[in-house]
Amino acid sequence: DAGITQSPRHKVTETGTPVTLRCHQTENHRYMYWYRQDPGHGLRLIHYSYGVKDTDKGEVSDGYSVSRSKTEDFLLTLESATSSQTSVYFCAIRGSATGELFFGEGSRLTVL
Amino acid sequence: AQTVTQSQPEMSVQEAETVTLSCTYDTSESDYYLFWYKQPPSRQMILVIRQEAYKQQNATENRFSVNFQKAAKSFSLKISDSQLGDAAMYFCAYSLQPNYGGSQGNLIFGKGTKLSVKP
Repeated sequence: DAGITQSPRHKVTETGTPVTLRCHQTENHRYMYWYRQDPGHGLRLIHYSYGVKDTDKGEVSDGYSVSRSKTEDFLLTLESATSSQTSVYFCAIRGSATGELFFGEGSRLTVL
Repeated sequence: AQTVTQSQPEMSVQEAETVTLSCTYDTSESDYYLFWYKQPPSRQMILVIRQEAYKQQNATENRFSVNFQKAAKSFSLKISDSQLGDAAMYFCAYSLQPNYGGSQGNLIFGKGTKLSVKP
């Protein structure tokens, strides 16, 4: 158990509304990541963080912003949700010595 | 840019038989990591096996083993004595160490192979 929790686990919202997904870790890891998973695309990187207030864009960052004010929390925000952002979102932390990522349980977001 | 390709969208295997899932990748780096992750219907991403590129020996974890061909940029997963619980999506992934080659340690994933196990 890598100590990662995501909230909410499921959310249904309407187009144009703001949405924030939260990732919380208890392991004090430096690197945190947000991915989205869509059929036929695998997992694609949205944003990542390499420390408090240090974040950068990934492959599919348009329409998303992130914040990391504390080591343990990494927030993903959709300022104005669109139907194309209907997806399953995964947060991950990086194992310090072995390179693999440990994933949260995922958050399923449906934008109507 | 690094890419990962899984050419088999779906595979099927008989229980107790052996199956091999294919993965190829493209990189100009020499030191990197390769992974296979399993995603059962529960949606949880589970690490199956890991390979460091500098190691010539193929990684093994119980019934799971890899065939790592660095020159060919190939990284296949072999599942022996397949069990019903092996049915899942399998993702091949690649990463560099953070701050190496401009990387921040993120994984680059293939699109996945859906494995079915027949009783």
